[in-house]
Amino acid sequence: GNSVTQMEGPVTLSEEAFLTINCTYTATGYPSLFWYVQYPGEGLQLLLKATKADDKGSNKGFEATYRKETTSFHLEKGSVQVSDSAVYFCALSDIKGSNYKLTFGKGTLLTVNP
Amino acid sequence: GAGVSQSPSNKVTEKGKDVELRCDPISGHTALYWYRQSLGQGLEFLIYFQGNSAPDKSGLPSDRFSAERTGGSVSTLTIQRTQQEDSAVYLCASSLRADYIYNEQFFGPGTRLTVL
Repeated sequence: GNSVTQMEGPVTLSEEAFLTINCTYTATGYPSLFWYVQYPGEGLQLLLKATKADDKGSNKGFEATYRKETTSFHLEKGSVQVSDSAVYFCALSDIKGSNYKLTFGKGTLLTVNP
Repeated sequence: GAGVSQSPSNKVTEKGKDVELRCDPISGHTALYWYRQSLGQGLEFLIYFQGNSAPDKSGLPSDRFSAERTGGSVSTLTIQRTQQEDSAVYLCASSLRADYIYNEQFFGPGTRLTVL
């Protein structure tokens, strides 16, 4: 079956530090990959996505590259801000029957201190 | 436009009682999903609807859990004879179509259920 494994948190960084959150996946097909973010007190929001190998998703300074050879989709940001403090979820979408289903990792809590 | 809404935002109940959780998806979204978010467990898929049909109920943890969707819109998740292990945040999401590869799901704020 499909699964997503992401680095366990919590991750605590100082403002302007470099961020990497590792994500690897197992899938039987050719999934699309996503990063979702959950800010305190809010619902999950799509942060970025990539639909095929070597695609790079990017948004709000965050980037992730779909690496088929290493089955990875690591999230990076060059300079984090306090407002980036949130829980980050890696997810994949793969077909089951005729419909697509999202499988999520367990989430990584990021805290950025001023 | 309006996003996905869920009610109630918080629910405290006693063990053994039944609860109903409601989800209003984004207008025009034909697919609707229920997840459960427990501490340390991430997002656990429960069930999804395409229209009013539920092709995949594989995530429902027991027969105490059921869900329905009427008119291709509002969905209700019912938990009968609640147990303490049912305490979690229940999230609802909707998307344009379940058969679309990108399948961007839009999430509601969740219902926090506490079973005493």
